[in-house]
Amino acid sequence: DAKTTQPPSMDCAEGRAANLPCNHSTISGNEYVYWYRQIHSQGPQYIIHGLKNNETNEMASLIITEDRKSSTLILPHATLRDTAVYYCIGFRGGGSNYKLTFGKGTLLTVNP
Amino acid sequence: DAGVIQSPRHEVTEMGQEVTLRCKPISGHNSLFWYRQTMMRGLELLIYFNNNVPIDDSGMPEDRFSAKMPNASFSTLKIQPSEPRDSAVYFCASSESYHSPLHFGNGTRLTVT
Repeated sequence: DAKTTQPPSMDCAEGRAANLPCNHSTISGNEYVYWYRQIHSQGPQYIIHGLKNNETNEMASLIITEDRKSSTLILPHATLRDTAVYYCIGFRGGGSNYKLTFGKGTLLTVNP
Repeated sequence: DAGVIQSPRHEVTEMGQEVTLRCKPISGHNSLFWYRQTMMRGLELLIYFNNNVPIDDSGMPEDRFSAKMPNASFSTLKIQPSEPRDSAVYFCASSESYHSPLHFGNGTRLTVT
């Protein structure tokens, strides 16, 4: 699976959009970009995933560059409860590929 | 759905004792994963089951660790004997299939003194 690079920490003001970047320059054509987050003392929570096209759900939007070497997770109106570590993961799935490898992620702190 | 349920939430035990962690996956999910999280090593996959069958246990650190899934609605992770270095948060996760998003439980925080 692709190695991903994320900033270790970011700050965001409550009510503003939080834009979390991720570089995955070695991602292969059939690897999806997955985002999870982990709020303190809880298990990781799935947010969104995508392959080529931009994706949106009730939690966030995922913007993937055309060359697929990077992506941005957008939380449109961050709240204090969005303070968490956010993980960007390249994952192919299928066959013997089932192991999600979590890196260090980005600690997003939403400030009042 | 109640999500993935793990018990106990916290476990404190003495070195040498047997520890059993329990997990109830989401109904209908065919894949189950046990992860361990420490500050030093982050999240590590210990073992993966598909349709109740262990597929990959290469992440299990030692023979002291064992995992079972006797049916689709229950799994256990056992450590015998436990050691202080086993102290960590242990997460269970399930998914509809091996390439579907994982749903994690809230973990068991294990402290071995």
